Amino acid sequence: AQKVTQAQTEISVVEKEDVTLDCVYETRDTTYYLFWYKQPPSGELVFLIRRNSFDEQNEISGRYSWNFQKSTSSFNFTITASQVVDSAVYFCALSEEGAGNNRKLIWGLGTSLAVNP
Amino acid sequence: DAGVIQSPRHEVTEMGQEVTLRCKPISGHNSLFWYRQTMMRGLELLIYFNNNVPIDDSGMPEDRFSAKMPNASFSTLKIQPSEPRDSAVYFCASSFGQYSNQPQHFGDGTRLSIL
Repeated sequence: AQKVTQAQTEISVVEKEDVTLDCVYETRDTTYYLFWYKQPPSGELVFLIRRNSFDEQNEISGRYSWNFQKSTSSFNFTITASQVVDSAVYFCALSEEGAGNNRKLIWGLGTSLAVNP
Repeated sequence: DAGVIQSPRHEVTEMGQEVTLRCKPISGHNSLFWYRQTMMRGLELLIYFNNNVPIDDSGMPEDRFSAKMPNASFSTLKIQPSEPRDSAVYFCASSFGQYSNQPQHFGDGTRLSIL
């Protein structure tokens, strides 16, 4: 069955530290998509990135980078030189192409990141 | 461009009352999702619509919950009668197209408190 595991419930770092948020997924589908969302203290859910299962290139966007490794079924998220504004809950999610018309996202439980000044 | 719009932002009501949450998806999006978020259970999908038709309502907790999408630009989630355990943040999200690779875009949520 499909599943997304974010083993780190809470992480606390000091500003300017690098931090990696782990995401491990399970799926039987050969085509699938992985997502990261950010939920800051204000409460809204913000889409960060989507990754296709057939594209294992890592991606960098400013201080954010994502490492997708199919061999270990992981899609980890690294924030370089963290800032207080990065404090949020981060969710990893999975959807499967083989689900047909059912476009349900499978969500991890989230990792709460606190960046302290 | 306007994002997903939810109303009200906050709702406080007494148990037994009917609650109606509203959502306007992003124009052109044809899938709409209703979620509930609590500390205990995290983010739960309640129901989702594709082209105004409910596709999966397996997450709807019980008969007290109902959702409608009368047209492409409007959806409601209704709780009747409401109970204290329904207190949560309810999110509406929408996405474009018919494929599972499309990201969902969320509204700001409705914070519901049932006294």
